[in-house]
Amino acid sequence: AQTVTQSQPEMSVQEAETVTLSCTYDTSESDYYLFWYKQPPSRQMILVIRQEAYKQQNATENRFSVNFQKAAKSFSLKISDSQLGDAAMYFCAYRSYIIQGAQKLVFGQGTRLTINP
Amino acid sequence: NAGVTQTPKFRVLKTGQSMTLLCAQDMNHEYMYWYRQDPGMGLRLIHYSVGEGTTAKGEVPDGYNVSRLKKQNFLLGLESAAPSQTSVYFCASSYGEKGEQYFGPGTRLTVT
Repeated sequence: AQTVTQSQPEMSVQEAETVTLSCTYDTSESDYYLFWYKQPPSRQMILVIRQEAYKQQNATENRFSVNFQKAAKSFSLKISDSQLGDAAMYFCAYRSYIIQGAQKLVFGQGTRLTINP
Repeated sequence: NAGVTQTPKFRVLKTGQSMTLLCAQDMNHEYMYWYRQDPGMGLRLIHYSVGEGTTAKGEVPDGYNVSRLKKQNFLLGLESAAPSQTSVYFCASSYGEKGEQYFGPGTRLTVT
């Protein structure tokens, strides 16, 4: 079974600085997707960025980028120029398939990110 | 286009009571999912559906039942609520095998 581990329960960063959130996973599959979700106090799960395992190029979305190390099974999220609105719980997730195309998202425990003004 | 909606947003139950959580999506998605989120943990899959009239068990199905009589709706039922079912419940839907999962806003359920 796949597992996802986020070893940093809490992180903090000064506004406008850069922060990196860590995530490791365990799988025997070769084709999969990885995601970072943001959960602000509103509880809404917001997709931040995704990475396809067969793509060697790291995904980027504006100020958000990932460092995907497939051999090491590592998937970290870098947030550049941190903003107050980035404060939230961040979840790393692995997507596998169950049957008939149904997906299963396996989530890490989450990292609470605080932005200091 | 409302996306994924959940009813109700909050609910308090007493042990042994029953209730149904409603999830609705207007994106014509085939796949729908119910997750629960406990404090300090990520979401865990309870049940899922690959289409109208079909349901299947996920990672933590005990104590829950589901039904998908219409493609756009996915119901999660608690027949006899227990304090261990105090949690935040999320519904999600997706299109095709590669599609993203879109999440509803969540329902906070407290069982006393």
